[in-house]
Amino acid sequence: KQEVTQIPAALSVPEGENLVLNCSFTDSAIYNLQWFRQDPGKGLTSLLLIQSSQREQTSGRLNASLDKSSGRSTLYIAASQPGDSATYLCAPEEGATNKLIFGTGTLLAVQP
Amino acid sequence: EAGVAQSPRYKIIEKRQSVAFWCNPISGHATLYWYQQILGQGPKLLIQFQNNGVVDDSQLPKDRFSAERLKGVDSTLKIQPAKLEDSAVYLCASSLTGFSTDTQYFGPGTRLTVL
Repeated sequence: KQEVTQIPAALSVPEGENLVLNCSFTDSAIYNLQWFRQDPGKGLTSLLLIQSSQREQTSGRLNASLDKSSGRSTLYIAASQPGDSATYLCAPEEGATNKLIFGTGTLLAVQP
Repeated sequence: EAGVAQSPRYKIIEKRQSVAFWCNPISGHATLYWYQQILGQGPKLLIQFQNNGVVDDSQLPKDRFSAERLKGVDSTLKIQPAKLEDSAVYLCASSLTGFSTDTQYFGPGTRLTVL
């Protein structure tokens, strides 16, 4: 059974700081891995999708890396802004049917 | 493009009562998902539909939960009877094909409180 752990559980940083969120998973036989953002009272928004054949993906100030063999992924946020404050969830994908196994998330607060 | 719609947004019931949630996916999306998110945890997939057929319901507590997708479009998730541990946010999501690398689009969720 896939277990997904995210560290740290919560993080508070001053505006402008670069930061790294960590995700580890127990079963390396995944298809892809996605990072999501969740704002309070709202649904999830997909940020980045890393295919199993890729090692990283970039979108604006976000960069996600994937090391399947070690069961790890990181999300790097450059020059953080207060608008980045949210919960960030990683989700490895099992099988070919788009089934996502979510971690417990990292609650990020960026202080102005 | 309209997003995934869910109703109601909030629901408070007493244990042993019944409750139903409704989801309208993005137009043209073949795949629909229902997730349960308990406070402090990540979402857990309850059931996945491809058009109006079930792809995965391995984590759906079938003794009390049921779901259907009418004509491959809207979907309803029902709990009967509810237990205290069913208190959670129920998220609906849809994707175009349901195949690997497909983006899932989430609705705002329904927050259920069971007293």
